[in-house]
Amino acid sequence: LAKTTQPISMDSYEGQEVNITCSHNNIATNDYITWYQQFPSQGPRFIIQGYKTKVTNEVASLFIPADRKSSTLSLPRVSLSDTAVYYCLVGAVYSSASKIIFGSGTRLSIRP
Amino acid sequence: NAGVTQTPKFQVLKTGQSMTLQCAQDMNHEYMSWYRQDPGMGLRLIHYSVGAGITDQGEVPNGYNVSRSTTEDFPLRLLSAAPSQTSVYFCASSSQGYDQPQHFGDGTRLSIL
Repeated sequence: LAKTTQPISMDSYEGQEVNITCSHNNIATNDYITWYQQFPSQGPRFIIQGYKTKVTNEVASLFIPADRKSSTLSLPRVSLSDTAVYYCLVGAVYSSASKIIFGSGTRLSIRP
Repeated sequence: NAGVTQTPKFQVLKTGQSMTLQCAQDMNHEYMSWYRQDPGMGLRLIHYSVGAGITDQGEVPNGYNVSRSTTEDFPLRLLSAAPSQTSVYFCASSSQGYDQPQHFGDGTRLSIL
């Protein structure tokens, strides 16, 4: 099982770019890297997913180096509404032994 | 689309009582899972299923049972509720595949007195 390590918390200000890095040293060949966002009293919500290099969508970018042992979620020009917990997951449902394990996440606080 | 539906949203139980948390998805997903989230903590996997008739244990399975008789439903049973099971419970589903993210329900907030 690929275990992930993220910072416990981060603070930033509105309009700044925020980068959250996740370490996953024992990632398997077929594992994808997925990031989720969770607001209080809600279930986690999918943000972005990648396998290697860079992925960008309308809300975030995901940077993955060639060795895939880490990844960085980049949130451009954050606003107060980006205050949430962000989880990095490594794994995929592809076998009968699949277990998708969440880490503790990164609590991101955005200030005015 | 309804997505993943969890019922009830809130529940209070007394120690020793049993109950079933319901989870249903309408996306024809093979994979379903149950997590618990304690205050200020991440999600911990309780049980999961990769298809109808197939279930397996996650990180914290003790005190919980699951079954998967249909693709749509994945109920979680508390056999004899204990205060340590006070938590928020999330159900999730996804298609099988290397690149399939999970879809989560809104959670069931459970208090055991």
